[in-house]
Amino acid sequence: AQKITQTQPGMFVQEKEAVTLDCTYDTSDPSYGLFWYKQPSSGEMIFLIYQGSYDQQNATEGRYSLNFQKARKSANLVISASQLGDSAMYFCAMKSEKAGANNLFFGTGTRLTVIP
Amino acid sequence: KAGVTQTPRYLIKTRGQQVTLSCSPISGHRSVSWYQQTPGQGLQFLFEYFSETQRNKGNFPGRFSGRQFSNSRSEMNVSTLELGDSALYLCASSLGQGGRETQYFGPGTRLLVL
Repeated sequence: AQKITQTQPGMFVQEKEAVTLDCTYDTSDPSYGLFWYKQPSSGEMIFLIYQGSYDQQNATEGRYSLNFQKARKSANLVISASQLGDSAMYFCAMKSEKAGANNLFFGTGTRLTVIP
Repeated sequence: KAGVTQTPRYLIKTRGQQVTLSCSPISGHRSVSWYQQTPGQGLQFLFEYFSETQRNKGNFPGRFSGRQFSNSRSEMNVSTLELGDSALYLCASSLGQGGRETQYFGPGTRLLVL
């Protein structure tokens, strides 16, 4: 079974500063994927970034980067140069890369507030 | 390319009624998954359909069911609604079932059971 833990219920960051959202995970699968999603108040889950467990380099997508530390089972999201539009809930999720396993397991989320 | 669409966006039902939610995946995507989001339980996986077959199922009672059509559109049905079924229901689509496949979500259907 997979488990995702997000220990920060809420975070504040000054506009234009960088922020790190924490995520730790637990799984017995040797191969898995880690995802981050953003959920604004409208409710839609927006895909941000993906990291495969065997990827050698940390994933980056624009202002988003994933600090993947496999031995520590952590997959922290780093948002650089925060913008007011980054205020939202952020969810870390994972799924097994076993054949046919396509369901995501989510953490409880972190509410990020960007202060002008 | 159009994103995942869900209808209706909002629903109000009473206990004991049934409800059907609809999801149209991104064009070309063959896998559709459904999730329930509540303040108490967070995001929980309901089921996944691929090529019109249910491939995975979460830990939900049989009142929750779904199906997928040949055009990959999916419907989810909840019978005998309970107050606890009030939630945001999210549909997600992906190209296939591979572990590296990214799931893209729709805007969700907010269901309120009175």
